[in-house]
Amino acid sequence: KNEVEQSPQNLTAQEGEFITINCSYSVGISALHWLQQHPGGGIVSLFMLSSGKKKHGRLIATINIQEKHSSLHITASHPRDSAVYICAVYSNTGNQFYFGTGTSLTVIP
Amino acid sequence: EPEVTQTPSHQVTQMGQEVILRCVPISNHLYFYWYRQILGQKVEFLVSFYNNEISEKSEIFDDQFSVERPDGSNFTLKIRSTKLEDSAMYFCASSEDVLDEQFFGPGTRLTVL
Repeated sequence: KNEVEQSPQNLTAQEGEFITINCSYSVGISALHWLQQHPGGGIVSLFMLSSGKKKHGRLIATINIQEKHSSLHITASHPRDSAVYICAVYSNTGNQFYFGTGTSLTVIP
Repeated sequence: EPEVTQTPSHQVTQMGQEVILRCVPISNHLYFYWYRQILGQKVEFLVSFYNNEISEKSEIFDDQFSVERPDGSNFTLKIRSTKLEDSAMYFCASSEDVLDEQFFGPGTRLTVL
């Protein structure tokens, strides 16, 4: 059973396209994290959300607590955005972190 | 900019041996975490640590695992008797608060032969 589901699993986009990655979860949460994993393996935190919307540069993350859903948007995508994007939630029952399997994004010049 | 560091970057060991993975969290952070990622699979939570004790652990974190903060800067993960299936990338992370952004180290690749 996967507590966190992401879609799509793989995504190829042309440079400049608007990209959306979706995350659905089945547990009650205190917070949701969007992470970026580079081809070399390193992990960078992009956002931590508990409600609403956050924006950082070309990245926007939204969360709908009632629907148990979050989206990560990338505007004006660029080849350097190519990475795996991971959704992770901090459950408020058991205080565990659950990770999605990630969305592999490739942006073609 | 402060960063989380991990050593070694790659550890090769024989099955049954003990390994210690080391992490230096960001100095003013209070919460520390270990995660693992088996090759080709998703990241999995192992344990969180606060105030010199384990605050939460997953089912993966069984008796062969232990964590310690031996001094004011290091945070270690010990695997007592390694198994082949322990081969994975192990990431350390730290945060100021449990619901704050986490900063990840570069990872230690553990290979058990």
